[in-house]
Amino acid sequence: AQSVTQLGSHVSVSEGALVLLRCNYSSSVPPYLFWYVQYPNQGLQLLLKYTSAATLVKGINGFEAEFKKSETSFHLTKPSAHMSDAAEYFCAVTVSQGNLIFGKGTKLSVKP
Amino acid sequence: GAVVSQHPSWVICKSGTSVKIECRSLDFQATTMFWYRQFPKQSLMLMATSNEGSKATYEQGVEKDKFLINHASLTLSTLTVTSAHPEDSSFYICSARPGGVEAFFGQGTRLTVV
Repeated sequence: AQSVTQLGSHVSVSEGALVLLRCNYSSSVPPYLFWYVQYPNQGLQLLLKYTSAATLVKGINGFEAEFKKSETSFHLTKPSAHMSDAAEYFCAVTVSQGNLIFGKGTKLSVKP
Repeated sequence: GAVVSQHPSWVICKSGTSVKIECRSLDFQATTMFWYRQFPKQSLMLMATSNEGSKATYEQGVEKDKFLINHASLTLSTLTVTSAHPEDSSFYICSARPGGVEAFFGQGTRLTVV
């Protein structure tokens, strides 16, 4: 079975500061990993995905994540936060054609 | 990317009535669609997997008779909340996969039962 743990339900950064959202996964087989962003009252938008190719994955809006098998981690980073990055972020894991398993989410706040 | 459209975006209904939510894959065929429920400030909880031409597969604890799912075509799945009550108020989201592992999500439906 797969599982995802997102450390920190709420992260607050200043505009221009580094964004780091943490995600650790558990899977008995090689996983596929995703980061999604959700704005209020909207669906989920894919930021980036790891599908066993390059371990450093670049996504939209300047976000990237690195798959580290030894640490079972897939942390999301962005060098410089923008006000528009304020949203809820979800890490998710799946295997093959399995269901997506979501973490509990991290709310990112960006202070001016 | 692929587009999944969900309708309506929000709905208010009276307690005891039924509400239908539609999920459409606009530019691909989806033999499988997924329905999630999201409580305020919480993650997505998978309710059921909708299979075209066959019965949906419900997750443990989800009432089949309350949440009716129909997947009559390769581009449309519907979720009907029957005899809705205030505790059914929530944000419902559908998703589908064009192929492979990447899932695309609808815009979500905010259901409020009064």
